[in-house]
Amino acid sequence: DAKTTQPNSMESNEEEPVHLPCNHSTISGTDYIHWYRQLPSQGPEYVIHGLTSNVNNRMASLAIAEDRKSSTLILHRATLRDAAVYYCILRDVRTSGTYKYIFGTGTRLKVLA
Amino acid sequence: DTAVSQTPKYLVTQMGNDKSIKCEQNLGHDTMYWYKQDSKKFLKIMFSYNNKELIINETVPNRFSPKSPDKAHLNLHINSLELGDSAVYFCASSQVYSNQPQHFGDGTRLSIL
Repeated sequence: DAKTTQPNSMESNEEEPVHLPCNHSTISGTDYIHWYRQLPSQGPEYVIHGLTSNVNNRMASLAIAEDRKSSTLILHRATLRDAAVYYCILRDVRTSGTYKYIFGTGTRLKVLA
Repeated sequence: DTAVSQTPKYLVTQMGNDKSIKCEQNLGHDTMYWYKQDSKKFLKIMFSYNNKELIINETVPNRFSPKSPDKAHLNLHINSLELGDSAVYFCASSQVYSNQPQHFGDGTRLSIL
């Protein structure tokens, strides 16, 4: 199973951009990179995903390295509500068409007012 | 409308008892999952069902038995509960053959006394 490594924790000031890194050196050609976050006492919430190209949505941007061995989740302006554990996950696709997520330890983001 | 709902939200019971957790999704997805998040916050997949058929079974003790009466429901029954079963259990759903994300419920916190 392909794995990801992330820093255990990061801090950011409110209203500033945050760059959350993720290494996935054993990624395979068909693995999508998914990012989720988990707020306290809630289930994981989808943030963004990509395969090769950089992606943007209303929540964040995802920058994927050319060799795909790393990626960075970018929160353009952190708010207090963005304080959460952020997970970088590789989607392991089964031949059945279903897939499972392999969660790592994630990065706990602290946002300072 | 809640997309993935689990009941109960909290479950406190004695060691040795049998309990069930229910999960329902109204997203029209055909695949559902159970994850376990232990005290160290590691999220690990347990089971996946696609159209009522077991697809993923990740070396979970056979005291845990998932049941899918239809593709919108996936229940988890646990026999002879042990102290180590204390955790938060998350249900999720997705659509097969799709790179769209999984949607998670808010979890059921199971505490064994």
